[in-house]
Amino acid sequence: DTAVSQTPKYLVTQMGNDKSIKCEQNLGHDTMYWYKQDSKKFLKIMFSYNNKELIINETVPNRFSPKSPDKAHLNLHINSLELGDSAVYFCASSQGWGTGFHSNQPQHFGDGTRLSIL
Amino acid sequence: QKEVEQDPGPLSVPEGAIVSLNCTYSNSAFQYFMWYRQYSRKGPELLMYTYSSGNKEDGRFTAQVDKSSKYISLFIRDSQPSDSATYLCAMVEGGGADGLTFGKGTHLIIQP
Repeated sequence: DTAVSQTPKYLVTQMGNDKSIKCEQNLGHDTMYWYKQDSKKFLKIMFSYNNKELIINETVPNRFSPKSPDKAHLNLHINSLELGDSAVYFCASSQGWGTGFHSNQPQHFGDGTRLSIL
Repeated sequence: QKEVEQDPGPLSVPEGAIVSLNCTYSNSAFQYFMWYRQYSRKGPELLMYTYSSGNKEDGRFTAQVDKSSKYISLFIRDSQPSDSATYLCAMVEGGGADGLTFGKGTHLIIQP
């Protein structure tokens, strides 16, 4: 079974549309993340989330919003898509949050959603 | 400023060679260090996870962290063509809130 799964794998859509990407993890982790990998393959954190706190990277436009229906899911909603949003979006999860040795256990990634804006 | 420097390559070596991959960083608050392997059209796959300075070995892979120099390394022994991929270093401070800070990745090619 895939530990972190994302759907869809590919998403092609028009500029201005609203779209969602789903992410599910079956690892029992309590923290989930969204990353963006640009055309130069550089991975950058967008959001970190557990059931207590959402941390937003300050560079992320407010057109992007994560929504978590439960602990195992963190979906990414994107409004008014722009050409610059074309990228690969990765979901990840980990066990642990906050400070201390047992916090921030390594993150496990899904295989990404390739978003292309026409 | 959280910044991680990593040579993007490509790095091409013959099969069986020892491969050395490196990253430098500027944020002395980083405490957890990771190496991920990413194949084309796949997500990053965790290879090594270390805390603070020191060495860690797992099969053909050895990770080294030198916090005094702000320098981390990944060594691959007896390299195989299946090791051809992009290798990403990543690191984070003590808390998990910020997510990982990644290097840009080194593209490794193992020639049969």
